[in-house]
Amino acid sequence: DAKTTQPPSMDCAEGRAANLPCNHSTISGNEYVYWYRQIHSQGPQYIIHGLKNNETNEMASLIITEDRKSSTLILPHATLRDTAVYYCIVRKDMDSNYQLIWGAGTKLIIKP
Amino acid sequence: DTGVSQDPRHKITKRGQNVTFRCDPISEHNRLYWYRQTLGQGPEFLTYFQNEAQLEKSRLLSDRFSAERPKGSFSTLEIQRTEQGDSAMYLCASSPRGTGTGYEQYFGPGTRLTVT
Repeated sequence: DAKTTQPPSMDCAEGRAANLPCNHSTISGNEYVYWYRQIHSQGPQYIIHGLKNNETNEMASLIITEDRKSSTLILPHATLRDTAVYYCIVRKDMDSNYQLIWGAGTKLIIKP
Repeated sequence: DTGVSQDPRHKITKRGQNVTFRCDPISEHNRLYWYRQTLGQGPEFLTYFQNEAQLEKSRLLSDRFSAERPKGSFSTLEIQRTEQGDSAMYLCASSPRGTGTGYEQYFGPGTRLTVT
C-alpha cells in the first residue's frame, strides 16, 4: 500500500477554509484516498474518500491531482469543532482484510 | 443511539490481571474491527471479523489477546496477564455489508485501559 505524508500540524482561522494536504506519490491505479479525523478523546470519524475525481459531501471536499500523487481535504468554513487530528490513508479497493493503516496525521487547530 | 458502543469506557487494572472489553457494532454491519491506539499515534489494526469469522489477525495480537464475535453480533476482546505495555485506547469499528469499498468504518468511543 502507498505511504502517505502529511504535515504534523496546521492552524486555521475560524470561518476560513482549511486546506489539508497529503502526499501519496507511490499510489497505484486501484488505490483510493480516504480521510478520517479524530477529535480529542473520541473514536475516528470517516470524512470522505475518492479515486480520481474530486468528491464533495456535507462535511468536506476532496481534491485529487490529475497524477494522483497528492490530494487536499478542504473544510470550507472551519469551526472550532473541526479542531482534530486528520488522517489521510490510501487503500486498495476491496482488499482482503479491510484494515486501515494509519500514520500520525495532521493536527488541525482552528483559532477564534 | 445507533452508533458503535463500547464498554467499559475506562478500565484500570493491575499488572497480571485479565480484562475483557465489549463492542456492540451498528446493527446490520457484518464487518467488525479492533484497533489499538497509544498516545500521539494513529490506531494500529488488531483483528477483523466478517460475521462470526475472524479473518485477519495482526502479529500485534499476541497469545495473551483473544477476540470473539459469537453469532456475528457483539464482540469481545480479552487480554490475559496484562502488562504495562498494554495500556492504550482500544477502538472498535464496524462497516456494512457490500457497500462502498469496505473502508468506510464507523468507530466507537473506545475503551481506555490503564495497567498499573
